[in-house]
Amino acid sequence: AQKVTQAQTEISVVEKEDVTLDCVYETRDTTYYLFWYKQPPSGELVFLIRRNSFDEQNEISGRYSWNFQKSTSSFNFTITASQVVDSAVYFCASRQLTFGSGTQLTVLP
Amino acid sequence: DSGVTQTPKHLITATGQRVTLRCSPRSGDLSVYWYQQSLDQGLQFLIQYYNGEERAKGNILERFSAQQFPDLHSELNLSSLELGDSALYFCASSPRGDTEAFFGQGTRLTVV
Repeated sequence: AQKVTQAQTEISVVEKEDVTLDCVYETRDTTYYLFWYKQPPSGELVFLIRRNSFDEQNEISGRYSWNFQKSTSSFNFTITASQVVDSAVYFCASRQLTFGSGTQLTVLP
Repeated sequence: DSGVTQTPKHLITATGQRVTLRCSPRSGDLSVYWYQQSLDQGLQFLIQYYNGEERAKGNILERFSAQQFPDLHSELNLSSLELGDSALYFCASSPRGDTEAFFGQGTRLTVV
């Protein structure tokens, strides 16, 4: 069985601060896919990033970066120079079948 | 706009009734997923279809059923509704299994 744990229920930062959202996954699959999704107050779920278990490097996309560590089964997501519009619930997911409980991020002006 | 269309956006119905939620996936996407989001249960995966066939099943109640049609649209049927079924129901689609999914706007179901 797969399991995704987001221990941070709520995070509050001031605009322009960097913020890292934690995700720990459990899987028995040798090949697996991890995702981050964002759910703003309007309610829709928006895909942000995907990481395959066989990818070698961590990546950066604009203000987003992620750190995938197989040794600790972690897939952390960082927003650099946060903005008020980043305020949302962020979900980590394993494949499309198992979602974490979400982290509510509030960015204060 | 994700390209995934869900109808209706809102639905209010009485306990014991049956409703059908509809989802049109993005053009070209073969896989459809259904999720239930409630305040106390978070985002729960219900079921996945791939090209008309059921591929994975999550915490879907026996009172719920789904299918994917030859044109790839999908329907989620909820019957004998209870107050606890009130939730936001999302449909998502992806080109194939295991790739990122794109979500519809959701159907907010209220059972009274």
